[in-house]
Amino acid sequence: KTQVEQSPQSLVVRQGENCVLQCNYSVTPDNHLRWFKQDTGKGLVSLTVLVHENDKTSNGRYSATLDKDAKHSTLHITATLLDDTATYICVVVDRGSALGRLHFGAGTQLIVIP
Amino acid sequence: DMKVTQMPRYLIKRMGENVLLECGQDMSHETMYWYRQDPGLGLQLIYISYDVDSNSEGDIPKGYRVSRKKREHFSLILDSAKTNQTSVYFCASSPRQNSGNTLYFGEGSRLIVV
Repeated sequence: KTQVEQSPQSLVVRQGENCVLQCNYSVTPDNHLRWFKQDTGKGLVSLTVLVHENDKTSNGRYSATLDKDAKHSTLHITATLLDDTATYICVVVDRGSALGRLHFGAGTQLIVIP
Repeated sequence: DMKVTQMPRYLIKRMGENVLLECGQDMSHETMYWYRQDPGLGLQLIYISYDVDSNSEGDIPKGYRVSRKKREHFSLILDSAKTNQTSVYFCASSPRQNSGNTLYFGEGSRLIVV
């Protein structure tokens, strides 16, 4: 059963536009949530981590929110650039797991066009 | 330089052949992981290693085994590869388990089994 659902599956925006990516999860108990960026043919690179209820983080043009009650997170990308073209992956850490289990979403593929 | 290095990056093997994927990290991290990534799915955990010779099965260990004789190296072995093991394999490391906030990924090893 998929415990981390991301939407949309893919998204096309024009350079300069803003976009919002969604992550819903059912992992229990959840510890913290992380957003990763994966360029085509590359590994995952961490963008931001959210730990507490109603956490908000900002990393340049990337900002994220977490609602632990709703088990929902959003990643906002402001003024997109062509280099933002990538897959964005939401990861929820299961603090109850003895294996240090990370639950990965399938990702949102973002394409930024000129 | 904090880095996870995977070798080889690309590999084509015939069904039934043995496969060795190697991973190295230069951060003295205790915990290392092997994942596979398939289209439309989140990363799936194959094995986790907590330190030298301290390995545990993940969610999909069947058909795989691992070896960790030095802290900085973690190998994934496929004895008699199958076509359904065609995938992209990612190695990751972290200083301790459940630390999604300090998780480093390699760039992946793309395996094709024909």
